[in-house]
Amino acid sequence: QKEVEQDPGPLSVPEGAIVSLNCTYSNSAFQYFMWYRQYSRKGPELLMYTYSSGNKEDGRFTAQVDKSSKYISLFIRDSQPSDSATYLCAMSRYSGYSTLTFGKGTMLLVSP
Amino acid sequence: DGGITQSPKYLFRKEGQNVTLSCEQNLNHDAMYWYRQDPGQGLRLIYYSQIVNDFQKGDIAEGYSVSREKKESFPLTVTSAQKNPTAFYLCASSGGRENTEAFFGQGTRLTVV
Repeated sequence: QKEVEQDPGPLSVPEGAIVSLNCTYSNSAFQYFMWYRQYSRKGPELLMYTYSSGNKEDGRFTAQVDKSSKYISLFIRDSQPSDSATYLCAMSRYSGYSTLTFGKGTMLLVSP
Repeated sequence: DGGITQSPKYLFRKEGQNVTLSCEQNLNHDAMYWYRQDPGQGLRLIYYSQIVNDFQKGDIAEGYSVSREKKESFPLTVTSAQKNPTAFYLCASSGGRENTEAFFGQGTRLTVV
């Protein structure tokens, strides 16, 4: 079983839809969770950073962590064509100088 | 502007040659990382460094080497021993201590011809 599982997609939605992106993980020691957005041939851009369980909202984006289920989600409201990208989840066990474990990414396509 | 600069953006190498990818950051971050990204594989850690003159192997270090002589710089050398070097290489840095999230450069696409 891989440490982090993420459906590769592609996930195709119409403009304005609510998008739900998810990752599951197997290592209960993960405490820090991140979502990155990556456009084609570009470096990943940090979108959301959360610690432990709970929700965090930033504009149209909401990150949700359920440690009891080992499940994290990213919700995008009012999706736009500019949201079309690959979304990577990442997580780590420790704060500070800790390497990240990434999911393989989900490709999202938002059509006008 | 603060950030991470990778150069070059595209790089072509003949088989059997070593090549060095540059990564510079002006974020005053202590930790720096090199990842490799292949289609369908996600990001895999090659090497990382938490302080100057010290670095550790990641999951796929074979065929790669690094140095960390300055806090701002973390070059990656892809040696001829790397069997399948064609990939997208990403450099990242993080502030360390209480800051876990990593920030990435724009990547270098290496193609072996």
